[in-house]
Amino acid sequence: AQSVTQLDSQVPVFEEAPVELRCNYSSSVSVYLFWYVQYPNQGLQLLLKYLSGSTLVKGINGFEAEFNKSQTSFHLRKPSVHISDTAEYFCAVSERDSSASKIIFGSGTRLSIRP
Amino acid sequence: DAGVTQSPTHLIKTRGQQVTLRCSPKSGHDTVSWYQQALGQGPQFIFQYYEEEERQRGNFPDRFSGHQFPNYSSELNVNALLLGDSALYLCASSLGLAGGGEQYFGPGTRLTVT
Repeated sequence: AQSVTQLDSQVPVFEEAPVELRCNYSSSVSVYLFWYVQYPNQGLQLLLKYLSGSTLVKGINGFEAEFNKSQTSFHLRKPSVHISDTAEYFCAVSERDSSASKIIFGSGTRLSIRP
Repeated sequence: DAGVTQSPTHLIKTRGQQVTLRCSPKSGHDTVSWYQQALGQGPQFIFQYYEEEERQRGNFPDRFSGHQFPNYSSELNVNALLLGDSALYLCASSLGLAGGGEQYFGPGTRLTVT
């Protein structure tokens, strides 16, 4: 079984400041890793994913994440945030060698940007 | 190219009633997954359909059932509604069953049970 822990339920940050949203996962098998964003009253949109290869993954809207296998972490970062980045962010995993692709989500981190 | 569409957008039901939610996948996708997102929480996997069969199921009671049609669209049915079933129900579509592929999410159906 897999689980995902997002260490911060809320992260306030000033506009143009850097931000890091933390994510740790637990799994007895190899997993794929994802970050999704949910804007108010909308569905989820994929920001980035780690499947294999380079542990530094770049996504949309200037976000990037680094996979750390030894620490079972997949933290999301952005060097300079904008008001439009205000949203809920979800870290997620799915089992790598599986014939079904269900996704296990964390509880989310609410990113609020202050002008 | 239309993305994932869901209907209705909002729904209010009474305890004990039954509800049906609908999902049309993104063009070219053949797999549909359903998730329940309670207020302030992350989405929870309900089940996944491929080739008109339920392929995987999360920890949800039998009151939750589904169906996939030959055109890949899907329905989620919930019987004997409880107050705790109030949530945003998200449908996601993808191509095939293999993990790692992107799942595209619809805007969701907001179900309120009174």
